[in-house]
Amino acid sequence: LQLQESGPGLVKSSETLSLTCTVSGGSLTRNNLFWGWIRQPPGKGLEWVGNIYYSGSTYYTPSLKSRLTIVADTSKNQFTLKLNSVTAADTGVYYCASGWFAELYPDYWGQGALVTVSS
Amino acid sequence: DIQMTQSPSSLSASVGDRVTITCRASRGIGNSLAWFQQKPGKAPKSLIYAASSLQNGVPSKFSGSGSGTDFTLTITNLQPEDFAIYYCQQYRNNPPTFGQGTKLEIK
Repeated sequence: LQLQESGPGLVKSSETLSLTCTVSGGSLTRNNLFWGWIRQPPGKGLEWVGNIYYSGSTYYTPSLKSRLTIVADTSKNQFTLKLNSVTAADTGVYYCASGWFAELYPDYWGQGALVTVSS
Repeated sequence: DIQMTQSPSSLSASVGDRVTITCRASRGIGNSLAWFQQKPGKAPKSLIYAASSLQNGVPSKFSGSGSGTDFTLTITNLQPEDFAIYYCQQYRNNPPTFGQGTKLEIK
């Protein structure tokens, strides 16, 4: 299973950050996996952002829930993160990841996409 | 949220050494703990899940133990490629949370 993030590397403050993860070597419709996003501010640790399941159900980390949407496009084997009203605190590397649905630890990671929020 | 605290935050060791990193959860998580290795500019790599189960392809020089609130990652016979940042992660409760990381450096 391979995952690859894509999207703008620069987003203006108060606008919407949008990243897409393209999955290859496996199907987004597999019902035993979760598809998620994890981020890492520059020089800092890892933070779970949210995830989506085959059923379409989602989990969003509470601190981001009001600004976050994760959707899947099974026809393209992609899932997308949208984070609105961004600030400089949202700057960092965003990883898409996947693993067994019942336990939210990632077995598979994308290479990461750096997103910088500018004022 | 469950807080995960790793110690030490940084560690210097020599090639051939054996090191142990500790991870403590703010409340019991059973064995729902994973360990990851991250090298500069790279995505984390999964090493261990369920506190002590080795991921496919991970060498047996890596081992994990613990349950409840206290966990350890041990690395034996350190080689240059092992010097990296190591993170623990609990997945017992949402949101999944990570430790702050332990930077393993060459002495």
